[in-house]
Amino acid sequence: GAVVSQHPSWVICKSGTSVKIECRSLDFQATTMFWYRQFPKQSLMLMATSNEGSKATYEQGVEKDKFLINHASLTLSTLTVTSAHPEDSSFYICSALTSGRSYNEQFFGPGTRLTVL
Amino acid sequence: AQSVTQPDIHITVSEGASLELRCNYSYGATPYLFWYVQSPGQGLQLLLKYFSGDTLVQGIKGFEAEFKRSQSSFNLRKPSVHWSDAAEYFCAVGGAGTASKLTFGTGTRLQVTL
Repeated sequence: GAVVSQHPSWVICKSGTSVKIECRSLDFQATTMFWYRQFPKQSLMLMATSNEGSKATYEQGVEKDKFLINHASLTLSTLTVTSAHPEDSSFYICSALTSGRSYNEQFFGPGTRLTVL
Repeated sequence: AQSVTQPDIHITVSEGASLELRCNYSYGATPYLFWYVQSPGQGLQLLLKYFSGDTLVQGIKGFEAEFKRSQSSFNLRKPSVHWSDAAEYFCAVGGAGTASKLTFGTGTRLQVTL
């Protein structure tokens, strides 16, 4: 149980285009999902927290107009990188929060590698 | 503010040797501590976690970690490393709450020599 998927697993796009990344909780309902960004050989940096049915909360320094997050259902959150540029190239990982246990634990997706040419 | 320090960026061990990866945390309340492993190009896999109770926790793949409150540490250990353990290891700290954020350390890259 507690499987999180991401689609696509990798994407290459041209500079100036927008890219949408999906994060799905396959066998549980996730009221909260997190989006992380990981640069090569670096740690995960939290970008934003999304709660189903409400606006995402962005971490300091993350451009909310550039990284659009939608959490329209209890099993799906999307991250859209708008007008992507080469500096947006990174590994994006989502996680979904389970509830109903002694601790609300995050389960991570496999990540999406974005390369902007 | 919460933070995690993994002082070792890169560690090389021989297959069959023991392993200890260091993790120090800073957290204002009772911490929830995690160790994750990441293979190249992959997401994170949870190795083990500490919430409360016994300070020595067992995880998957033969890993264990010990929580030492007095030292603010949560070091990961394995008595005998296998070549397949080569990966990046991340320590993370979070807190109680319905939407607790995780703060990750910078990671330790483990190389295993045959």
